[in-house]
Amino acid sequence: TQLLEQSPQFLSIQEGENLTVYCNSSSVFSSLQWYRQEPGEGPVLLVTVVTGGEVKKLKRLTFQFGDARKDSSLHITAAQPGDTGLYLCAGEEETGGTSYGKLTFGQGTILTVHP
Amino acid sequence: EAQVTQNPRYLITVTGKKLTVTCSQNMNHEYMSWYRQDPGLGLRQIYYSMNVEVTDKGDVPEGYKVSRKEKRNFPLILESPSPNQTSLYFCASSWTSGSREQFFGPGTRLTVL
Repeated sequence: TQLLEQSPQFLSIQEGENLTVYCNSSSVFSSLQWYRQEPGEGPVLLVTVVTGGEVKKLKRLTFQFGDARKDSSLHITAAQPGDTGLYLCAGEEETGGTSYGKLTFGQGTILTVHP
Repeated sequence: EAQVTQNPRYLITVTGKKLTVTCSQNMNHEYMSWYRQDPGLGLRQIYYSMNVEVTDKGDVPEGYKVSRKEKRNFPLILESPSPNQTSLYFCASSWTSGSREQFFGPGTRLTVL
C-alpha cells in the first residue's frame, strides 16, 4: 500500500493569514485529489491534479502537483473562518495501463481559522 | 439530486450483534467503496467494488463483509462487531475512469460497546 504523509496535522491561524498544507509520498501517483470535509458530512472534492508540475487555482486556494508526481501542496491565501475544516489529500496509484487505481488518503489536516 | 445515502447515520450496538450499514447511490457509478475514518489515521479503505458481483479487500478488511448484487447498493456487514470497530464509516462511489472523483455519503457513526 502506498502511503501519503500529510502535514501539518493541525493548523490554527488567524483570519487573513496564509497557510500551506503538504502531502508527500515516496511513490508516484497518476493523479492526486484534494478534499474538504466539514463536521457531520462526507468529504467533498476540491480539485484533481494529474500532470507533474500542474498548478490549479480555486479562488484563494492554489494546488500544486510535484514534478515527479510524488507530492502535492495546498496553499490558502488570506484564510477566512469559512475555510475551517478537515483537508484531505488522496493519491491514485499508477496501474500500468488499467483504468482503475486504488485511492490512498493522507491523515488529514484540521484547519481552524479564527476571526 | 445526485447523491450517496447511508443508513443508519448513528448506531450504538453491543459486541457480537450482527449489523448492516446500507449504502445506495443514484449516479450509476461502477465503483463503490467503504472507508472508516479514525482520528489521526485519515480514511482507510475497507472494501471496494468495481462493478456488480466484483468486490475486493481494501487496507483494513478484517471483521467486515460486503456484497454487490445491484449496481446502486453496496451494504457493509459486521458479522460480529467488536469495540475496535467503533468508528465513522463512509461509503463512496465514482466512475472507474476519468476524473475518479469520489462522491461520499454523509457517514455512519458506529459505537460498539
